[in-house]
Amino acid sequence: EAQVTQNPRYLITVTGKKLTVTCSQNMNHEYMSWYRQDPGLGLRQIYYSMNVEVTDKGDVPEGYKVSRKEKRNFPLILESPSPNQTSLYFCASSFRGQGARNSPLHFGNGTRLTVT
Amino acid sequence: AQSVAQPEDQVNVAEGNPLTVKCTYSVSGNPYLFWYVQYPNRGLQFLLKYITGDNLVKGSYGFEAEFNKSQTSFHLKKPSALVSDSALYFCAVRDGEAGANNLFFGTGTRLTVIP
Repeated sequence: EAQVTQNPRYLITVTGKKLTVTCSQNMNHEYMSWYRQDPGLGLRQIYYSMNVEVTDKGDVPEGYKVSRKEKRNFPLILESPSPNQTSLYFCASSFRGQGARNSPLHFGNGTRLTVT
Repeated sequence: AQSVAQPEDQVNVAEGNPLTVKCTYSVSGNPYLFWYVQYPNRGLQFLLKYITGDNLVKGSYGFEAEFNKSQTSFHLKKPSALVSDSALYFCAVRDGEAGANNLFFGTGTRLTVIP
């Protein structure tokens, strides 16, 4: 089954404790992206990757890191989480960029992160 | 500047009645327009898109959307709402002539279908 898999689904941590949220897709997609979803703000892009070893900042990259060593994986790293990073996070992928002509985004089921 | 607006945070409709979820957009080039739906505890799912051609686009689950260039709108519609349509709906727009990473999402509209 074609899918984007995020882990964990729920995560509670404390300020300053490094964490990683994993994302993996099995569709051979070139493009991958991370978003955070907050009430009243919709989806905001954190980082994206056009292909292996090619990553770039989105709209809200502060406090986050990513890597793209393999095509299928795109982990999100919070080196020193803070309470303002409490949010719902989504990973997404597509063949060629966001909303390419025949390539809608495929989303994971989300990771709800709470930083206390 | 590129943007998308969903003017209603919440839409309530009775089961069996037609539903409309509104979306307006602003892009400098030709718009690529999308609707996504988010069910509880799930990621966003693609519903339909407009790239070019017929202004009325049909998508999954009986939904359709009408592209109106003069009003810069792309409203989502369904002739007869089901309780299972209750979800959060996102409109998204991309400038078709810009780079590959410029998809903008609206803030979402929560649709509640009342039995």
